[in-house]
Amino acid sequence: AQKITQTQPGMFVQEKEAVTLDCTYDTSDPSYGLFWYKQPSSGEMIFLIYQGSYDQQNATEGRYSLNFQKARKSANLVISASQLGDSAMYFCAMRGLIYNQGGKLIFGQGTELSVKP
Amino acid sequence: DADVTQTPRNRITKTGKRIMLECSQTKGHDRMYWYRQDPGLGLRLIYYSFDVKDINKGEISDGYSVSRQAQAKFSLSLESAIPNQTALYFCATSDHARSTDTQYFGPGTRLTVL
Repeated sequence: AQKITQTQPGMFVQEKEAVTLDCTYDTSDPSYGLFWYKQPSSGEMIFLIYQGSYDQQNATEGRYSLNFQKARKSANLVISASQLGDSAMYFCAMRGLIYNQGGKLIFGQGTELSVKP
Repeated sequence: DADVTQTPRNRITKTGKRIMLECSQTKGHDRMYWYRQDPGLGLRLIYYSFDVKDINKGEISDGYSVSRQAQAKFSLSLESAIPNQTALYFCATSDHARSTDTQYFGPGTRLTVL
């Protein structure tokens, strides 16, 4: 079975500071991809960053980086220099690449981030 | 213009009515998906299609049907809507030729069934 766990229902961060959103996963698929999406209050789902299970380096996209620790099965999102516009719900998701022929994304329950001015 | 569009954006309907949600994309992707999101939960897959002739059920397909009219169009139908189908519905697309096969989502359709 595949499962994503996000243990922080809500978090606060001061503007311009860095914040880490936790994500742990479980899968029997030997190859998989990990994704982070942002959902602002307007509702859309915005792709942020991707990490493949066999990637040697942690992924980075602008102010977003993914702290991937394969042995611990964790894929934490780090947002540097938080901005007010970063206030949103953040979802960690996973897709198995070998057994998951449907391409289904498994989502966590999300973390609501609030950035304080 | 948005790469993935969904119509309508909001819809209120009554129990027993038939309703169709439409999705169009200009990304040239071959794969399309329908998900629903309930409050406090992540997204769950309803149906997916890898090309025009390929339609597959996801984990919660009961009460739903789909049609892939063209590579760029994928519609979701509720044959007889019921209140527990009230949710936020997302269409997504991906390109299997890309190694990441990242799914890109439309803006969502907020459906309320009274």
